[in-house]
Amino acid sequence: DTGVSQDPRHKITKRGQNVTFRCDPISEHNRLYWYRQTLGQGPEFLTYFQNEAQLEKSRLLSDRFSAERPKGSFSTLEIQRTEQGDSAMYLCASSLETGRNSPLHFGNGTRLTVT
Amino acid sequence: GNSVTQMEGPVTLSEEAFLTINCTYTATGYPSLFWYVQYPGEGLQLLLKATKADDKGSNKGFEATYRKETTSFHLEKGSVQVSDSAVYFCALSNAGGTSYGKLTFGQGTILTVHP
Repeated sequence: DTGVSQDPRHKITKRGQNVTFRCDPISEHNRLYWYRQTLGQGPEFLTYFQNEAQLEKSRLLSDRFSAERPKGSFSTLEIQRTEQGDSAMYLCASSLETGRNSPLHFGNGTRLTVT
Repeated sequence: GNSVTQMEGPVTLSEEAFLTINCTYTATGYPSLFWYVQYPGEGLQLLLKATKADDKGSNKGFEATYRKETTSFHLEKGSVQVSDSAVYFCALSNAGGTSYGKLTFGQGTILTVHP
């Protein structure tokens, strides 16, 4: 169990540029979640995959955001035409489908700064 | 919708003091309740959980009891240590549907313990 891995740890980009983040979940976990956390706030749910199917998307996820999990393993989160309001920590988590009480295992996050 | 409210922070204590961090929730159905902890520079980690009314979750000297009548899940520890300094998040999981496992977080409480 190597834990949830996220890449990169930090990303600084200029407004209007596109960015892509990667998440590698724990290998046997079939559920994968993306969250966003801003300073002084708790994580906010963005989207959720079960295997390769994206089952839920938050209203926070505007059309500029897209997430994929093509083979049910790693996932990518892309933000197009970044805005300063996108600056946040983006967290990935995974869990094993054993019911709603399965704990989520979080990665260390990707910190995005949009200048 | 679901929501979680934590006591205002930050909380500053001396070593060996008693800790209480209040958490109340609003949810439909019968959610599961969690406390996650985020140590400096690390990802969120599950601290403890409770899955039904009157359950008590415990770990590392921390305890929390699921109180349905007061919709609360307060975190307590009898004697804190400097190493407990971290950000603590209360969270609940949705009660059903395709959103199994999705967490709704409180805003977090920063705990600092001085020697």
